[in-house]
Amino acid sequence: ETGVTQTPRHLVMGMTNKKSLKCEQHLGHNAMYWYKQSAKKPLELMFVYNFKEQTENNSVPSRFSPECPNSSHLFLHLHTLQPEDSALYLCASSQGREGGNEQFFGPGTRLTVL
Amino acid sequence: GQNIDQPTEMTATEGAIVQINCTYQTSGFNGLFWYQQHAGEAPTFLSYNVLDGLEEKGRFSSFLSRSKGYSYLLLKELQMKDSASYLCAALDSNYQLIWGAGTKLIIKP
Repeated sequence: ETGVTQTPRHLVMGMTNKKSLKCEQHLGHNAMYWYKQSAKKPLELMFVYNFKEQTENNSVPSRFSPECPNSSHLFLHLHTLQPEDSALYLCASSQGREGGNEQFFGPGTRLTVL
Repeated sequence: GQNIDQPTEMTATEGAIVQINCTYQTSGFNGLFWYQQHAGEAPTFLSYNVLDGLEEKGRFSSFLSRSKGYSYLLLKELQMKDSASYLCAALDSNYQLIWGAGTKLIIKP
């Protein structure tokens, strides 16, 4: 198993749909992250979970709802999205949040909102 | 506010050397990361600097000057596979990574 996996890899949804993105890490890490990556923009941190507890929510609209049932799994539930939410959604994990703990990224879910 | 600046795009020749610069302004500082991201793929870790100076790792080296809020990534003996985006990110006092928009590096034969 590769370190961080994400499903689905591609998703097209209408503005009234409800869908979920899934992330799983096989590295025994304690921290997990959701990022949004739009073309030619910096990575935007959306949510952080440390030991299954949400530690940050960077002013993300409520149409994005994270869930972390255990330290290996992270979900991002989507509902009533807008076309501007179309982007690459990346999941990452790290051993901890401090210092030089590098983040390991999954391949991302390419989301298109029609 | 917090900010990372790096060039949008650079072009270099196979076999040459290229230096990608990054300046940062953050609330506190706990280190600087460089990541490589090939088109359509996940970012992968290249280096982490928290002390001033140069860290060398094979063909890649990373430099940090905390007093100047400045870092660079040096790539030697460029290969075609080095064509990618290079992301600079600074860790602030809350251990949150502040990311630059990335530098797209184009390698020509």
